[in-house]
This record gives sequence, C-alpha cells and structure tokens, in this order.
Amino acid sequence: DIQLTQSPSFLSASVGDRVTITCRASQGISSYLAWYQQKPGKAPKLLIYAASTLQSGVPSRFSGSGSGTEFTLTISSLQPEDFATYYCQQLNSYQFTFGPGTKVDIK
Amino acid sequence: EVQLVESGGGLVQPGGSLRLSCAASGFTFSDHYMDWVRQAPGKGLEWVGRTRNKANSYTTEYAASVKGRFTISRDDSKNSLYLQMNSLKTEDTAVYYCAREEWLLTNYYYYYYMDVWGKGTTVTVSS
Repeated sequence: DIQLTQSPSFLSASVGDRVTITCRASQGISSYLAWYQQKPGKAPKLLIYAASTLQSGVPSRFSGSGSGTEFTLTISSLQPEDFATYYCQQLNSYQFTFGPGTKVDIK
Repeated sequence: EVQLVESGGGLVQPGGSLRLSCAASGFTFSDHYMDWVRQAPGKGLEWVGRTRNKANSYTTEYAASVKGRFTISRDDSKNSLYLQMNSLKTEDTAVYYCAREEWLLTNYYYYYYMDVWGKGTTVTVSS
C-alpha cells in the first residue's frame, strides 16, 4: 500500500499568513493527488486534484504543486473561513489512501 | 442540484451486519465510479472502497481493513449505492460518507478525484 505523511500535523497561523502543508508519498504517484478541506461535523470538500488543478468554485488563494513523492498545498493569504483540517489523498494505486491530516488553527 | 444522501446507519452489535444506502440525484449516476469513505470519531479519513460503472463491469476495490467483510454494490436504475457490512467490529465505528468520483483526462491519463460528498451516516458497533 502507498502511505502518505503530512507535515506539519498541526499549524497555528494568523489571518493573512501564507500557509504551506506538505504531503509525502511512500512511492511515486505521479500527479495522482488530491487535497480536501474538512470542517468539524462536515463532509470533506475537494480543493485541488491532479496535484495542481483548482476545483471549480475554490478561491484562487489555494494552490497545489508537486509530483512523484512530494506535494504541497499553499494558502496564499489565510482567511477566517480557512481554519480547518486538510487532507491529501493519493489515487494512483487500486487502493486509495488519505494522509493523516493537518489541522490549521487560529493563532 | 447535485446531491448524495446516505442512510441506514445505526447501532449494531459486534459480529452483526448493516447495509448503508446512498441516494444520488442531480447527475447521471450510472456514468460515475462511486466510493465509500469513513471517519472514526476524532480520527482522519479512511477510504473504504469503490465501484466502477457499467462500462467497466462494476468492478470493485476495497481497503485491506474491510476486504472480505464489506461489499459495495449499486443499482443504476434507482440511482443508489450500497455498502453491505458484515462481521462488524468495534473499530468499524465511524461516520460513513459516499462520494462521487470524477475524472480529468489529460495526456492519455485519467486523474480521478472525489468531487461530491454526502453528509454521512453514523455507524456505531458496540455491545
């Protein structure tokens, strides 16, 4: 199975900050990676797919990059509604896996 | 409006069975692969499994943690997805989400992603 790790696991930031979350895969997954945002008690929301393609309706302050084994999700200027947990997901193998999540909290 | 609505969750004893349903509306259900994802209390997301569409023979894949115990099926005539859960364990306690798979075809490669999610249904396995 392909394992994903995320760093940091917890991040404290202020409104307006630039935030970067890293996702690493245990083996190469090309660009078969998606990013989701989840708020407490809610379903996940797709942000990015194919590593760098912004989902329709998602603000342009979100961006994704990377290929192979290392990927990043960047929020260029953190907004109050962005405080949430972020998950990466690999869709390369026949068994998809999620990363453990990064919680972004208010500083 | 594109929508997925899960149902069928509840309290079940260890070793028991439960069948979850997911009703789809607002899109051509039969075209899409569909997935189940779960989240144990206070934990992260765990992919459970997927079913492909008719064009791909309704083939399925499962996470190792549920393979042999859970079965995913679909009824395109009813725009519905199902998750049959047998031999349930306490560690299967979670919110279960169904999700639609969409794909991007670029440079001869299909990039899949889950773009529509239901609100989830809660399964509690306890004696």
